[in-house]
Amino acid sequence: GESVGLHLPTLSVQEGDNSIINCAYSNSASDYFIWYKQESGKGPQFIIDIRSNMDKRQGQRVTVLLNKTVKHLSLQIAATQPGDSAVYFCADIPYGGSQGNLIFGKGTKLSVKP
Amino acid sequence: DTGVSQDPRHKITKRGQNVTFRCDPISEHNRLYWYRQTLGQGPEFLTYFQNEAQLEKSRLLSDRFSAERPKGSFSTLEIQRTEQGDSAMYLCASSAWEAYGYTFGSGTRLTVV
Repeated sequence: GESVGLHLPTLSVQEGDNSIINCAYSNSASDYFIWYKQESGKGPQFIIDIRSNMDKRQGQRVTVLLNKTVKHLSLQIAATQPGDSAVYFCADIPYGGSQGNLIFGKGTKLSVKP
Repeated sequence: DTGVSQDPRHKITKRGQNVTFRCDPISEHNRLYWYRQTLGQGPEFLTYFQNEAQLEKSRLLSDRFSAERPKGSFSTLEIQRTEQGDSAMYLCASSAWEAYGYTFGSGTRLTVV
């Protein structure tokens, strides 16, 4: 069945270093992918998205890479800051799937050491 | 209107009681979604509305759960005869017409004791 999962449940990085959070998906028909950041006690916050016809998309300090061959998605955060500490989720909507039904992975907890 | 508002933020209830949560979406957003999130897991889809029409319901939404969006603005999620397994964060999100960039609220944390 459809699943979106993460390789590592926790990631600890030094402030100023770059962070890479990985995500694998199983449905080759997935059409749209989103990364969310969730801080404790808050709802998920949209970070960046990418459609399946793209390989890379950049935002402010963040880059998402999509490798459709191996069904892998990554989020790169440049110059990680203490405020980046949170749980990061990838989510997807399969092509032709419901536009209401985001499928989330379990999340990776990012801890930034000062 | 600065975002999606959910009320209450926290709710503690005894098993068997009914609870109702409210969500006020971003005013110009046509779509409204409900998700449930348990500790350490990603959010799971429950249901969504386009204006006042409920277009999809997950099989997670048992017959004890009901959601409404009577005027196409705010929405309510009611859980009847609550069970301990209902303890979770209930998240509401909204989006514009056919827009994928959902905006989530801060959620209502339900604890059933």
